Amino acid sequence: NAGVTQTPKFQVLKTGQSMTLQCAQDMNHEYMSWYRQDPGMGLRLIHYSVGAGITDQGEVPNGYNVSRSTTEDFPLRLLSAAPSQTSVYFCASSPITGGSNYGYTFGSGTRLTVV
Amino acid sequence: ILNVEQSPQSLHVQEGDSTNFTCSFPSSNFYALHWYRWETAKSPEALFVMTLNGDEKKKGRISATLNTKEGYSYLYIKGSQPEDSATYLCARNTGNQFYFGTGTSLTVIP
Repeated sequence: NAGVTQTPKFQVLKTGQSMTLQCAQDMNHEYMSWYRQDPGMGLRLIHYSVGAGITDQGEVPNGYNVSRSTTEDFPLRLLSAAPSQTSVYFCASSPITGGSNYGYTFGSGTRLTVV
Repeated sequence: ILNVEQSPQSLHVQEGDSTNFTCSFPSSNFYALHWYRWETAKSPEALFVMTLNGDEKKKGRISATLNTKEGYSYLYIKGSQPEDSATYLCARNTGNQFYFGTGTSLTVIP
């Protein structure tokens, strides 16, 4: 099915471990982004990309790295997991930069627990 | 200030009632305002993208208005149905970044 695919859906990590959350879209969207969702807070932007080879930081980038080697893929790397990174992570894409005239298409989310 | 604020935080209405909620945002550097519908255990789905002051958009029983000068948008649901139960998010676009509110959680009681 067309859309944004996130893997895994669930993950438990130990403090200090590293991992990569995968995000892929097959809609040829230029713009891709990662958000985290925490109780009582709105979705907060971690990193975003306006096209292959271009990435930038959002509101809460510390502890995360991204890369955009292809239009389709936008992986999020946790370098050394901390309990504060326990959250639900959403990848979202949009046809054009910033999605001004288009809504985001969201992935189904990854629930990450760091113990 | 980049905060997007939504009110009320939660709302319970009877089936058939009409309801509305508010999204407030800084009026400077406005590009667009988005509304999303987020059902439990699913992903947010785009409802409306609004860019012009005075915009009104409608999708079935749901409509939205936009006032960019004073920095608010209203979402209206006419004749609420149980399937309308969800969290409704708004997000302000400042160019390449979106700032989301914390949402209004709507429960429609049959």
